[in-house]
Amino acid sequence: DTEVTQTPKHLVMGMTNKKSLKCEQHMGHRAMYWYKQKAKKPPELMFVYSYEKLSINESVPSRFSPECPNSSLLNLHLHALQPEDSALYLCASSLGTAAGNEQFFGPGTRLTVL
Amino acid sequence: GQNIDQPTEMTATEGAIVQINCTYQTSGFNGLFWYQQHAGEAPTFLSYNVLDGLEEKGRFSSFLSRSKGYSYLLLKELQMKDSASYLCAVLYNQGGKLIFGQGTELSVKP
Repeated sequence: DTEVTQTPKHLVMGMTNKKSLKCEQHMGHRAMYWYKQKAKKPPELMFVYSYEKLSINESVPSRFSPECPNSSLLNLHLHALQPEDSALYLCASSLGTAAGNEQFFGPGTRLTVL
Repeated sequence: GQNIDQPTEMTATEGAIVQINCTYQTSGFNGLFWYQQHAGEAPTFLSYNVLDGLEEKGRFSSFLSRSKGYSYLLLKELQMKDSASYLCAVLYNQGGKLIFGQGTELSVKP
């Protein structure tokens, strides 16, 4: 298995909803990432997990809450989002966080906040 | 900051060669990646450079000069399917923090 999977593919939610994005990989990677990508812009790093521990939080608002239940799974819990949070949310994984470890990206979840 | 600069868009002809340049700030540099991203899809890995020189992979090559803070991606024998955004991304320090350039939108025309 050489891919990163993400569910759902599309999500529409209201500003008062609570939802979760899920990411899974079975490549034995020990680093997992969440990125946010707006249209015509590059991916922006949100969080990095290394060996199931949060190692980087790029000053992301608390309405985004990441969780790494085990080495294969990464969740992003969403609560009280704003319309400007609408974007493509990409999950990625790599063997580790050291130099040279390419990050494999999932297909993303396209989120629309109404 | 960690500015990474690349041209916004480029146009080339099928069968030709195109070079996409990328410049970056050298402080804390720990490797450079090139990714390809088709519209609506995830980025896919193309190449990685950490030492000076040229890395060749089929039709794609990538070059790095660490002292100049400069890289380029060379695409040969262009095909229509190469129309995509090409992202230069730099790994700074440790910890997996990958910073992406704005991307170069390449259009390949017949």
